[in-house]
Amino acid sequence: GDSVTQMEGPVTLSEEAFLTINCTYTATGYPSLFWYVQYPGEGLQLLLKATKADDKGSNKGFEATYRKETTSFHLEKGSVQVSDSAVYFCAQGDAGGTSYGKLTFGQGTILTVHP
Amino acid sequence: GAGVSQTPSNKVTEKGKYVELRCDPISGHTALYWYRQSLGQGPEFLIYFQGTGAADDSGLPNDRFFAVRPEGSVSTLKIQRTERGDSAVYLCASSLDGVAVEQYFGPGTRLTVT
Repeated sequence: GDSVTQMEGPVTLSEEAFLTINCTYTATGYPSLFWYVQYPGEGLQLLLKATKADDKGSNKGFEATYRKETTSFHLEKGSVQVSDSAVYFCAQGDAGGTSYGKLTFGQGTILTVHP
Repeated sequence: GAGVSQTPSNKVTEKGKYVELRCDPISGHTALYWYRQSLGQGPEFLIYFQGTGAADDSGLPNDRFFAVRPEGSVSTLKIQRTERGDSAVYLCASSLDGVAVEQYFGPGTRLTVT
């Protein structure tokens, strides 16, 4: 079945460092891809998305590019802030079955940014 | 506007008891999803409603779990004969329709079975 694999954490960075969190997916077809973020004490929020190959999703300085050839959707940010400390989840949407919007999530990556 | 709400926020119950978890989606959203998130894991899909009907219940772990959405808005997830392994955060999400890519999540209900 479909699955999403994320880079294992936790990830600890200093403020203004470069961030990469790797994500790969296994799915036939062309699923939509997402990054969700869960800040401490809050619910899951959509961070960015891409719906077709070579699309780049971006939001709040974060970017991810849908790479069909490598089945990847790595999350990057050029300069992280303390406020980016959170758990990040990569997810894929159903690639066209009966449950179109059903999401399959990775296990999550904890990011801690120190001043 | 109001987001997805879930009640209760926390529920502690004894093994073998019955529990109901409620989800109130964003007004006008026809698609509703339930997920379960165990500690240190990503959410796992349980069931998807389009309107009043369960379009996909393939994620329900066994027949102790059941969900309804009788009027196409509020949904209730019901767990019978709870077991300690059911302890998790139960998340509800809604989207405009089953095709829309963006899902909006509620804060979750933390269920603890003692």
